[in-house]
Amino acid sequence: DAKTTQPTSMDCAEGRAANLPCNHSTISGNEYVYWYRQIHSQGPQYIIHGLKNNETNEMASLIITEDRKSSTLILPHATLRDTAVYYCIVSYGRGGSTLGRLYFGRGTQLTVWP
Amino acid sequence: GAVVSQHPSRVICKSGTSVKIECRSLDFQATTMFWYRQFPKKSLMLMATSNEGSKATYEQGVEKDKFLINHASLTLSTLTVTSAHPEDSSFYICSALSLAASTYEQYFGPGTRLTVT
Repeated sequence: DAKTTQPTSMDCAEGRAANLPCNHSTISGNEYVYWYRQIHSQGPQYIIHGLKNNETNEMASLIITEDRKSSTLILPHATLRDTAVYYCIVSYGRGGSTLGRLYFGRGTQLTVWP
Repeated sequence: GAVVSQHPSRVICKSGTSVKIECRSLDFQATTMFWYRQFPKKSLMLMATSNEGSKATYEQGVEKDKFLINHASLTLSTLTVTSAHPEDSSFYICSALSLAASTYEQYFGPGTRLTVT
């Protein structure tokens, strides 16, 4: 079962930063926070993941609160191609009994408008 | 980046027939692959974990005799929907975990849309 809550939908103007929140108040100490996105009728795409520290890659930044009960995915300069459903998932990754299984919640539909 | 392919991308079959869907990791080895299904306007639902050389592990409520999974090599897993019925019509997506120890992300295939008439 999904252990995260996200807003159902969000809008963002093209070129502006998109900040997508996620609550995961029951996260365990060894669970990672993963973000994936799914563009309509395609397979999900990995964006970023983190454990405790903030992370940044070429796609996005991930800010995790100190108590790890929530996080924010930041797309610094959103484009029309960033319109997608964004999923925040907590998982043990490769380790643990769940061996990398991902349980998707409803996600956030991000719409970037011109 | 790591690429996962699925074949076919679309399939239409008659009720009562079986359909096989292939999932391949093209440029990396994967001891573990996963199968998901997704209904229109719904989220992905994990069906099973496919392990190379061993039996698949099915999620609660997923019929293992209905959805046969075979993971014969480090780059190929197959899902066979047996005796398909219209309610099996869905978008089936696979993913693969890279064998590389430093990799924690899953790579997803493009999906297979199954329509049972």
